[in-house]
Amino acid sequence: SAVISQKPSRDICQRGTSLTIQCQVDSQVTMMFWYRQQPGQSLTLIATANQGSEATYESGFVIDKFPISRPNLTFSTLTVSNMSPEDSSIYLCSAGIRNQPQHFGDGTRLSIL
Amino acid sequence: AQTVTQSQPEMSVQEAETVTLSCTYDTSESDYYLFWYKQPPSRQMILVIRQEAYKQQNATENRFSVNFQKAAKSFSLKISDSQLGDAAMYFCAYRETSGSRLTFGEGTQLTVNP
Repeated sequence: SAVISQKPSRDICQRGTSLTIQCQVDSQVTMMFWYRQQPGQSLTLIATANQGSEATYESGFVIDKFPISRPNLTFSTLTVSNMSPEDSSIYLCSAGIRNQPQHFGDGTRLSIL
Repeated sequence: AQTVTQSQPEMSVQEAETVTLSCTYDTSESDYYLFWYKQPPSRQMILVIRQEAYKQQNATENRFSVNFQKAAKSFSLKISDSQLGDAAMYFCAYRETSGSRLTFGEGTQLTVNP
């Protein structure tokens, strides 16, 4: 199974700033995913990060707010832009090879003041 | 669209006892995957068990087993001989075989009492 490293593990940010979260996988994977987990809630998919093409965003999430990069088959970044207190959440990266279970990074706990 | 429902927001069990967590889902697909993930306070998502819909046999991983009822679209998780380390939030998740995105249920918070 893939080992996924995510950083930072947590951060406290000021309103209006942006933060980039990094996700590194120890093997090449076809798909990488970014999820948001708001306090006390389940996971919601933000977007699927495709290597060599634009990310595919879910309803309610837009590229201007959550730009994603996927420069190669082992790495992706998610930026949370122009942050507001409503963006305070845990952000999780996951990866999987087709038909194999997805594995997750340890998540980034983000608090906006 | 596929939906996953966990009707038990909280469950508790005595150490060494058995507990069952419920999950139902809705899909028009005939082939798909189902998963249970565990999320302890450390927030890491840990895969507990998986089930392929085309397999009639229920999956088992040590103390964890599932009761997969395809016609009823039910996928419950049984934890035997519960341990304090089993305390966590448990999420049921669905995935189509043609894609890789996961759809999660709302989660069940499991407490294990010593």
